[in-house]
Amino acid sequence: ETGVTQSPTHLIKTRGQQVTLRCSSQSGHNTVSWYQQALGQGPQFIFQYYREEENGRGNFPPRFSGLQFPNYSSELNVNALELDDSALYLCASSKTSGATDTQYFGPGTRLTVL
Amino acid sequence: RKEVEQDPGPFNVPEGATVAFNCTYSNSASQSFFWYRQDCRKEPKLLMSVYSSGNEDGRFTAQLNRASQYISLLIRDSKLSDSATYLCVVLPQAGNNRKLIWGLGTSLAVNP
Repeated sequence: ETGVTQSPTHLIKTRGQQVTLRCSSQSGHNTVSWYQQALGQGPQFIFQYYREEENGRGNFPPRFSGLQFPNYSSELNVNALELDDSALYLCASSKTSGATDTQYFGPGTRLTVL
Repeated sequence: RKEVEQDPGPFNVPEGATVAFNCTYSNSASQSFFWYRQDCRKEPKLLMSVYSSGNEDGRFTAQLNRASQYISLLIRDSKLSDSATYLCVVLPQAGNNRKLIWGLGTSLAVNP
């Protein structure tokens, strides 16, 4: 196991609701990246947090936001949920924000929006 | 053209077969390349990084061709446990952009 944990494992929401997903990084890692993986697709980069600051963002609207805490755990918040937000949300931690640092993935949170 | 393209497969091969996957990328300035493996409904796991000189890890060999902008993964002596989706991942450029670009994945089924 990677030591990266995510909660909850599964979640069902309705359109318009808000959701918060959580990720605990591996011990000694200060960087967390979030990805969205729709069924049959590769993961899409949402954003990365390094030492509590956003450090790069993919092509996701502002209703996707995040936080990183002093212990380097992280949250992903999604407001005004849409049906297309249904996906597996993965977080990955790495030792630093270095470009080639290996990212270790958590098991993911499977979000279903009805 | 997609930034990272892979043949989605599925590849169906018998145990013991050799199978090769290719992946092409569009940004010639891309600097780092990886192969990840993802089992059904599980998270991706790093299989290997891909170095310019090519690298081997047991039955797995990864190669990079910068001139043609593709990377490859060769699996020799396939095992049933190799059945998974193999994802090609590219870091487009240096600097502060940490955005890894993922292919859609190539599905492999190794049959007894």
